[in-house]
Amino acid sequence: DAEITQSPRHKITETGRQVTLACHQTWNHNNMFWYRQDLGHGLRLIHYSYGVQDTNKGEVSDGYSVSRSNTEDLPLTLESAASSQTSVYFCASSRGYEQYFGPGTRLTVT
Amino acid sequence: KQEVTQIPAALSVPEGENLVLNCSFTDSAIYNLQWFRQDPGKGLTSLLLIQSSQREQTSGRLNASLDKSSGRSTLYIAASQPGDSATYLCAVNDGSARQLTFGSGTQLTVLP
Repeated sequence: DAEITQSPRHKITETGRQVTLACHQTWNHNNMFWYRQDLGHGLRLIHYSYGVQDTNKGEVSDGYSVSRSNTEDLPLTLESAASSQTSVYFCASSRGYEQYFGPGTRLTVT
Repeated sequence: KQEVTQIPAALSVPEGENLVLNCSFTDSAIYNLQWFRQDPGKGLTSLLLIQSSQREQTSGRLNASLDKSSGRSTLYIAASQPGDSATYLCAVNDGSARQLTFGSGTQLTVLP
């Protein structure tokens, strides 16, 4: 069955370190998204991509970057992790407008 | 900027009750609206997607309605079961890009 996976599921890192969260989908969807979920803020869009070599900034993109070298993967990189980036991160994909979400990565920055 | 509100933030009902979850949005120029379910520690599961041209969508015991002009959507759950306990999120797409703006969710508890 087609699916969307994220790894790792849990990560603890130190302030200042570079961290990369992986997202892989097997639906062959062109559109991929990264969100973060925080209490009191709901889900907020970080970055998104409409296809290979396409990336765009979302509402809360500062301190994050993405690259899209193939259809299946959209890794999210935290250039220099900060405590404010402690959150649960969700990846999603879509062909049209209906989005399908991965299981999430819980990231703790100490 | 689009804002999406879900009231109440939490709801507790006895098993078997029919219930309605509410979602409101500030900009009526939406392309579609999507309802999700989120279980604790898990990702989001898409329940229903309503296009702006539609008034309602049904899937099993779930029925979602959309009133674009008033900026409201409701999710009706019939004959609730303990397995329906979860957080329900609505999200709107304004069509300018394939992005979603989310509400903060309603945490539903169905008591046996």
